[in-house]
Amino acid sequence: GGIITQTPKFLIGQEGQKLTLKCQQNFNHDTMYWYRQDSGKGLRLIYYSITENDLQKGDLSEGYDASREKKSSFSLTVTSAQKNEMAVFLCASSITGTTNERLFFGHGTKLSVL
Amino acid sequence: GDSVTQTEGQVTVSESKSLIINCTYSATSIAYPNLFWYVRYPGEGLQLLLKVITAGQKGSSRGFEATYNKETTSFHLQKASVQESDSAVYYCALSDNNNRIFFGDGTQLVVKP
Repeated sequence: GGIITQTPKFLIGQEGQKLTLKCQQNFNHDTMYWYRQDSGKGLRLIYYSITENDLQKGDLSEGYDASREKKSSFSLTVTSAQKNEMAVFLCASSITGTTNERLFFGHGTKLSVL
Repeated sequence: GDSVTQTEGQVTVSESKSLIINCTYSATSIAYPNLFWYVRYPGEGLQLLLKVITAGQKGSSRGFEATYNKETTSFHLQKASVQESDSAVYYCALSDNNNRIFFGDGTQLVVKP
């Protein structure tokens, strides 16, 4: 089986700071995703990528950049952290567009902004 | 746009009783989206519970069932007899034809002994 590794597990930042979250997968999946989850809420799509060097905006892309330089990795940058922001960022990968479609998730990066 | 609605933030059920968690969807970009239930058990990552890709079909896993109802745009999750170990957060989701996957807000299931 494969695994999705997100680093760091916890990220504490300052207001206005640029922060980068990383995600690696060894499933050899084409599609990767970044979701944001606020406490008690569902997952909201920030960015996704259907292949190396591809980027597609989700509903929540404003304030974020993403990069998919390799098939196995997908990074997310918070361009300017907002004061008191707290959320969990989840990375996922998938085989999509087939009957095998399903998401595999990492354990998340928990962000706190002071 | 496409969306998923789960109306109950938390459901509390006594052990061995039946369960239903409601899910309705709205799909404008695709006539027949794929539908999923994901689950997060305490201390674990989010994982697939079951999926159905054909309208009218039923999916099942670990004693849970969900039927893809195109007429009512629903995909309710049911179990005949819950156990304490089923306590978790359950998320309904759909995928569109652009590789995007949309989630509901989740329903926390609490099973009382």
